[in-house]
Amino acid sequence: YELTQSPSVSVSPGQTATITCSGDALPKQYAYWYQQKSGQAPLLLIYKDTERPSGIPERFSGSSTGTTVTLTISGVQAEDEADYHCQSADTNGTYVVFGGGTKLTVL
Amino acid sequence: QVQLQESGPGLVKPSQTLSLTCTLSGGSISTETYYWAWIRQPPGKGLQWIGSIFYSGRAYYNPPLKRRVTLSVDTSKNQFSLMLTSVTAADAAAYFCAREVREAGYDYWGQGILVSVSS
Repeated sequence: YELTQSPSVSVSPGQTATITCSGDALPKQYAYWYQQKSGQAPLLLIYKDTERPSGIPERFSGSSTGTTVTLTISGVQAEDEADYHCQSADTNGTYVVFGGGTKLTVL
Repeated sequence: QVQLQESGPGLVKPSQTLSLTCTLSGGSISTETYYWAWIRQPPGKGLQWIGSIFYSGRAYYNPPLKRRVTLSVDTSKNQFSLMLTSVTAADAAAYFCAREVREAGYDYWGQGILVSVSS
């Protein structure tokens, strides 16, 4: 089972970045999003498709439609330049799977 | 403040066994709420879940790695460990330990430890 992410996204500061993740089990399993800056451990941004942990800015939001989940970053800032990883599980919830990651470049 | 710290050798020879330990501070590993996970990331690539373990010792493994992986937990030391046998160059990666909250994701991560595979 795989989760598919586009390799890269580029936006200018202040614009909105949209990062998608596709997988057949996503209608049945929650999705999670992580931000990973260069040389650092990942940081949880979104859980259960749309929930934001405390301390995560409101400009980060998640949504889900069918087999695709989306991370939206509104009003992108230079500090948002990072790799973004989606994560979910197989249909039965037996094992965890990550997408290949999307590199966000802030122009 | 919950902190996780990986430890172990940064270099392993091909065909040998990789052994890493994760030490938890600022909390107890013996809680009903959390699983404890290992996740790796080859250089320049995405994240790969290796497996997760409960404090009781019940563990779940990524199917492609299951034959070579063993997770264990030492509640007296507040530690959990990873053993990966018969390593090859494909196992070279940054290895992270993390706290897993069911339906809430991996909310705390160690800083990661880079493991190379070379003779």
